[in-house]
Amino acid sequence: DAGVIQSPRHEVTEMGQEVTLRCKPISGHDYLFWYRQTMMRGLELLIYFNNNVPIDDSGMPEDRFSAKMPNASFSTLKIQPSEPRDSAVYFCASSLDQGGMIGTEAFFGQGTRLTVV
Amino acid sequence: AQKVTQAQTEISVVEKEDVTLDCVYETRDTTYYLFWYKQPPSGELVFLIRRNSFDEQNEISGRYSWNFQKSTSSFNFTITASQVVDSAVYFCALSERDRGSTLGRLYFGRGTQLTVWP
Repeated sequence: DAGVIQSPRHEVTEMGQEVTLRCKPISGHDYLFWYRQTMMRGLELLIYFNNNVPIDDSGMPEDRFSAKMPNASFSTLKIQPSEPRDSAVYFCASSLDQGGMIGTEAFFGQGTRLTVV
Repeated sequence: AQKVTQAQTEISVVEKEDVTLDCVYETRDTTYYLFWYKQPPSGELVFLIRRNSFDEQNEISGRYSWNFQKSTSSFNFTITASQVVDSAVYFCALSERDRGSTLGRLYFGRGTQLTVWP
């Protein structure tokens, strides 16, 4: 398996522009997570999906952020309009809920390093 | 309140030294899981180990070992005979039930940057 695939790996954009980050989870996994990593706040969970349905988006910083999962093999995280403070590494992760266990490890993509200038 | 505390922000050691990374967690659940992830300079997060709250046996995997103590809410990670390739940021994480979901939500500590010098 190729693992969780994120694109692009790096993105530099100007303030005010729309940014779309993409994620392909591991095939068969039913949970997908979006995390953001910054020096100031560490790793933060933004939103997660179960079977393509958003379960908890309380970590999404504000309305400029939105995430979708149109099918089991694809998710996007969109920022519109982007701001310099959105600069961070954004990780996508997926996992498989094995009959109710909470101990399933999440598998992470390589991240997208976003720089908003 | 921080659910996972990694008090050591940075640690530097010389190759072949043993090093212990501390992790203290906070939860009211009786069922939870603890994890360690490694983030090498390339940036990806690599899963290292998972322990559940009912299994306090220590675990050893090669040069890596983990000490889980519920009495002190700690899940410490020791690297024996460290190597330069061990240089990375190490994250401790806690998974507990989230709003009735069967899936735990991972709470990460702030990470410990380990540098191993040759």
